[in-house]
Amino acid sequence: QVTLKESGPVLVKPTETLTLTCTVSGFSLSNARMGVSWIRQPPGKALEWLAHIFSNDEKSYSTSLKSRLTISKDTSKSQVVLTMTNMDPVDTATYYCARIQELSSSWYFDPWGQGTLVTVSS
Amino acid sequence: EIVLTQSPATLSLSPGERATLSCRASQSVSSYLAWYQQKPGQAPRLLIYDASNRATGIPARFSGSGSGTDFTLTISSLEPEDFAVYYCQQRSNWQWTFGQGTKVEIK
Repeated sequence: QVTLKESGPVLVKPTETLTLTCTVSGFSLSNARMGVSWIRQPPGKALEWLAHIFSNDEKSYSTSLKSRLTISKDTSKSQVVLTMTNMDPVDTATYYCARIQELSSSWYFDPWGQGTLVTVSS
Repeated sequence: EIVLTQSPATLSLSPGERATLSCRASQSVSSYLAWYQQKPGQAPRLLIYDASNRATGIPARFSGSGSGTDFTLTISSLEPEDFAVYYCQQRSNWQWTFGQGTKVEIK
């Protein structure tokens, strides 16, 4: 069974750096046809993709947030880490990690972790 | 960046009725479009990929269609557990975007 679980602080102060960890099980981060993405969702709002990383260490970032994001992985620990600098109250959201899987002709998010709510407040 | 526009924002229907949700892309995404279902307090779940393929374990009452810029998710007969928010999603140049969601609520 494939599972992903997010962990990290529930509260960060403005201007601080957020570090989130996604721990996966049921698949390997070295699998050539899979990767992991981070996606967030402000309360009551839509989903927003943030970043992805694949087994070959290929990475991509949201154009609008690229300057603030860093994604990395530790295959031996089955973990993917996302850092976001200079946090602001508008970054308050539930942060999800999801497996990227190649299905048929393209790549999709399946499954997702349960999410972790991060609040940015002084 | 490709923008996905979903309509309507809210769909009020009764159990047993047919639901038709729309997703329009600002430029062609071929058939590389997915639909996700999200229930309150839960993570999204993949329903449909490549516009018309049901993901593993998804009931046959869910179907997807379309290509290019216009896509539809149809729920043939709403079950009580289908009342949720539905998002479409595309990938282009390794940038993923989601629509703003359609809420299917009980009438």
